[in-house]
Amino acid sequence: DAGVTQSPTHLIKTRGQHVTLRCSPISGHKSVSWYQQVLGQGPQFIFQYYEKEERGRGNFPDRFSARQFPNYSSELNVNALLLGDSALYLCASSLDGTGTTGELFFGEGSRLTVL
Amino acid sequence: GDSVTQMEGPVTLSEEAFLTINCTYTATGYPSLFWYVQYPGEGLQLLLKATKADDKGSNKGFEATYRKETTSFHLEKGSVQVSDSAVYFCALRARGSTLGRLYFGRGTQLTVWP
Repeated sequence: DAGVTQSPTHLIKTRGQHVTLRCSPISGHKSVSWYQQVLGQGPQFIFQYYEKEERGRGNFPDRFSARQFPNYSSELNVNALLLGDSALYLCASSLDGTGTTGELFFGEGSRLTVL
Repeated sequence: GDSVTQMEGPVTLSEEAFLTINCTYTATGYPSLFWYVQYPGEGLQLLLKATKADDKGSNKGFEATYRKETTSFHLEKGSVQVSDSAVYFCALRARGSTLGRLYFGRGTQLTVWP
């Protein structure tokens, strides 16, 4: 079975541009979460979507937005890119969106470089 | 706020050495605790977890015990292998938090030499 898939795997943008990152969860999973991992640091939570509704948001500016589609895939959008947005963006899926013991399954990430 | 503090790396060991990676946490209530591993070029994988005090998570020879009194969740392995070389992340999920929201430590790079 396919795991969490993300696209693109690598991309380069310039300051001020916009980027869209895509994530397909494991088949049957209804929740998608997004994380930002800056080099040398642990992942930081950006968003969680469950059943197409936002269920949590981390401490990120409004330039970051996301949505979830009827097939449970998701997009992360970042506007007005800054150099500091350069990072590995991770998507994680889970069967459910609630509870405290469920497992997150991570994709390999999309590496964004902002010049 | 909720946070995880992980020992600084990198950690370099010879094969069959004993491994400890320290992790302490700050959280209100009783969080769930996790160790994730990231092999080169791969995504994060759940290594083990513990959901209440005194629980011991274990997998692939790795163990960690949820210590409420010391707010710790140290990762241990009795005999490391070259294949254990990876980055290890300690993480918590706050009680009552949405399932997808984890707080991660900075990660500890482990290199095991033959």
